[in-house]
Amino acid sequence: QKEVEQDPGPLSVPEGAIVSLNCTYSNSAFQYFMWYRQYSRKGPELLMYTYSSGNKEDGRFTAQVDKSSKYISLFIRDSQPSDSATYLCAMRSNDYKLSFGAGTTVTVRA
Amino acid sequence: DTGVSQDPRHKITKRGQNVTFRCDPISEHNRLYWYRQTLGQGPEFLTYFQNEAQLEKSRLLSDRFSAERPKGSFSTLEIQRTEQGDSAMYLCASIVQAGNTIYFGEGSWLTVV
Repeated sequence: QKEVEQDPGPLSVPEGAIVSLNCTYSNSAFQYFMWYRQYSRKGPELLMYTYSSGNKEDGRFTAQVDKSSKYISLFIRDSQPSDSATYLCAMRSNDYKLSFGAGTTVTVRA
Repeated sequence: DTGVSQDPRHKITKRGQNVTFRCDPISEHNRLYWYRQTLGQGPEFLTYFQNEAQLEKSRLLSDRFSAERPKGSFSTLEIQRTEQGDSAMYLCASIVQAGNTIYFGEGSWLTVV
């Protein structure tokens, strides 16, 4: 079993819809949680960074962490075609070594 | 551009040849990481350096792989006697000590034919 499990998708939504992405994890030592966006054949780009349980909002993006359930989510409101990409959840303990989910490919249809 | 720089961006090589990738991290970032990513998967940790010291290597890093960071600045990842299973994107990332954000380069794509 992988340390980080991510819904594989793919996910296709109409423009303006809410995109919901999720990951679960098994390692209780993970304390820092991130969402990266990756366009085709490009490196991952950090979208959201959270520490501990709770919600964090940044523009159209909201990240949620529930450490008791070992579950994290990313919501994208008012989705745009430019949001079409692969979204990777990532997490780490204090050692700075990231463990990634497999990624969910999202397509926002105009 | 002051981001993480990787070179070459693409490499096609014949099976059995050696290849080397270079990573230039963000200036003053003392931690440097190598990851490997195959199609449909997330990046997998290979190894990391703090300054010039290689502190951890993944079991994924077979004897054919070697990484160096000779002066604590740029790093190289060499793959000897390449195999088709080595085809992947090799990502470099860096972070400053006690920082929160790990920055990735654009990756080096390797195709072994």
